Amino acid sequence: EIVLTQSPTTTAASPGEKVTITCLASSSVSNMYWYQQKSGASPKLLIYSTSSLASGVPDRFSGSGSGTSYSLTINTMEAEDAATYYCQQWSSNPDTFGAGTKLELK
Amino acid sequence: EVQLVESGGGLVQPGRSLKLSCAASGFTFSNYYMAWVRQAPKKGLEWVATISTSGSRTYYPDSVKGRFTISRDNAKSSLYLQMNSLKSEDTATYYCARRRHGGFDYWGQGVMVTVSS
Repeated sequence: EIVLTQSPTTTAASPGEKVTITCLASSSVSNMYWYQQKSGASPKLLIYSTSSLASGVPDRFSGSGSGTSYSLTINTMEAEDAATYYCQQWSSNPDTFGAGTKLELK
Repeated sequence: EVQLVESGGGLVQPGRSLKLSCAASGFTFSNYYMAWVRQAPKKGLEWVATISTSGSRTYYPDSVKGRFTISRDNAKSSLYLQMNSLKSEDTATYYCARRRHGGFDYWGQGVMVTVSS
């Protein structure tokens, strides 16, 4: 099973600040997926196939990476971006998720 | 508009069974792989099962293999999860999700399953 390690576990950002969340895989994966989950809500797909923006997602979100190292970047933090973010891989069965990164508004 | 609506959750004793349902609308259900993902209280996400478009292929992690069965009825645009031999560690919110591009592009609102005596 591929283990995904996210960092940081928790972070805070001020409006307008740039935020980067990383996801390290225990073995190489071909693609990474990113989700946003706000308190009390279902997860929402943000990024698929490492760097493609899901429908309706603001372009301040972007994804990059390859092999075992991937990242999600929020170019300019907005209040509505406060949430928990998860990475996910399906290159190797079983699908696995990272433990999550909680992003708070400073 | 894509909608996924789960039902069938509740409180169940350890060792008993429960069947979850997911009603899909707003897209051609038979064209998509579908899945269940769960989230234990205040914990992260865990993939539970995936089913192919026809239902002929199913996939599970070791944690539920042999106990859970995913199925679908394309005529009814419905997805199911039969859960047997339930354990306390199966307590979670269960989400129905559509699979696309290798990820999960739409999620239901979730249904709570509590396994406790």
